[in-house]
Amino acid sequence: ETGVTQSPTHLIKTRGQQVTLRCSSQSGHNTVSWYQQALGQGPQFIFQYYREEENGRGNFPPRFSGLQFPNYSSELNVNALELDDSALYLCASSHRTGGRAFFGQGTRLTVV
Amino acid sequence: AQKVTQAQTEISVVEKEDVTLDCVYETRDTTYYLFWYKQPPSGELVFLIRRNSFDEQNEISGRYSWNFQKSTSSFNFTITASQVVDSAVYFCALSETTGNQFYFGTGTSLTVIP
Repeated sequence: ETGVTQSPTHLIKTRGQQVTLRCSSQSGHNTVSWYQQALGQGPQFIFQYYREEENGRGNFPPRFSGLQFPNYSSELNVNALELDDSALYLCASSHRTGGRAFFGQGTRLTVV
Repeated sequence: AQKVTQAQTEISVVEKEDVTLDCVYETRDTTYYLFWYKQPPSGELVFLIRRNSFDEQNEISGRYSWNFQKSTSSFNFTITASQVVDSAVYFCALSETTGNQFYFGTGTSLTVIP
């Protein structure tokens, strides 16, 4: 067990709606990253947060946004949901200076 | 550009056979990290190994072994005497920082048949 928890585990939304996914990082970790994993694909990097600021972003549109809180937990927000946003969303936490990254169990989002 | 290629999409082996999963990577950086993760049906990515670009010493850990060859940009993973519990999707990943920004391959789905 990694100590990284994500909520909710499953979610169904309608196209055009907005969604917020949550991640509690492992104790002592100050860096959180989010990934999108479409069915049958590898995880794709969305963005990373360090000290409450975005610190790296993958090839995702601005409707994907995030927050990191003082306790290092994080949120991923997706606006104007599209059918292609259906995927498993994973968060990973680590310490900025290195070491292993630990992943949560993911949130499976279905957009209908 | 960074890229990780796992050419094997699906592999099936009979229990107790050895199996090697291939990984080829591309990066322009001289310092980087390579990883293998296992993803069971539950979805969580389970860390298996991390290697930095300066450490080409191959490693054996129980039934698992890794072969890192910088000259061919490969980081292959071998399971000896496979077991049914090894059935999962295995991902090779590259990171150019000490954070958790990874580039993943498309994964190899391993099925071990009893």
